[in-house]
Amino acid sequence: EPEVTQTPSHQVTQMGQEVILRCVPISNHLYFYWYRQILGQKVEFLVSFYNNEISEKSEIFDDQFSVERPDGSNFTLKIRSTKLEDSAMYFCASRQSRDGLSYEQYFGPGTRLTVT
Amino acid sequence: AQTVTQSQPEMSVQEAETVTLSCTYDTSESDYYLFWYKQPPSRQMILVIRQEAYKQQNATENRFSVNFQKAAKSFSLKISDSQLGDAAMYFCAYRSANGGATNKLIFGTGTLLAVQP
Repeated sequence: EPEVTQTPSHQVTQMGQEVILRCVPISNHLYFYWYRQILGQKVEFLVSFYNNEISEKSEIFDDQFSVERPDGSNFTLKIRSTKLEDSAMYFCASRQSRDGLSYEQYFGPGTRLTVT
Repeated sequence: AQTVTQSQPEMSVQEAETVTLSCTYDTSESDYYLFWYKQPPSRQMILVIRQEAYKQQNATENRFSVNFQKAAKSFSLKISDSQLGDAAMYFCAYRSANGGATNKLIFGTGTLLAVQP
């Protein structure tokens, strides 16, 4: 069964460093998402991406964040200058749309980002 | 803006027994989807069940079923014949059907389910 993959599974970085989190969505999916979950808290929407552009972003997704789909398969989240409060689990998700019907977002296993 | 509320931070159930997890939501939309996601200790998000708001019939998936009360904006999850592998955090989530290219998921705060042998 196709699945969303994410690398790395765990990333440790120092405050102020740039990190890139990578995701490979399911191949025929058209909509892509990043969510964040701070330990012990709920999952929060960061950004959605469709047709090579951001379709919506949350208040969390400030100028330090960017997303890209560089090669038609990977979907990346970049944090330019990490802060301690960026420590969280980051989930990538993708969704298919066919004939106007689509429901599920399929989630990747997540990348645990630790900022020290 | 839509909100999702899970009022039970923790629940416990005996193996083979039935447990119901509560979820309420607030929206002014008439067309939307509701989901329950399971998050085991591995923290992978796994879809358990979904419900389309336009459907009156409650969704079922094997031992998992929902009680969808649209007027009350309530969407509870019933787990029958609970198994040790059901122990996890369960998140209720809402998605608009009208969002076009976005259709982000809005999550509740989760209910941590423990299954006692």
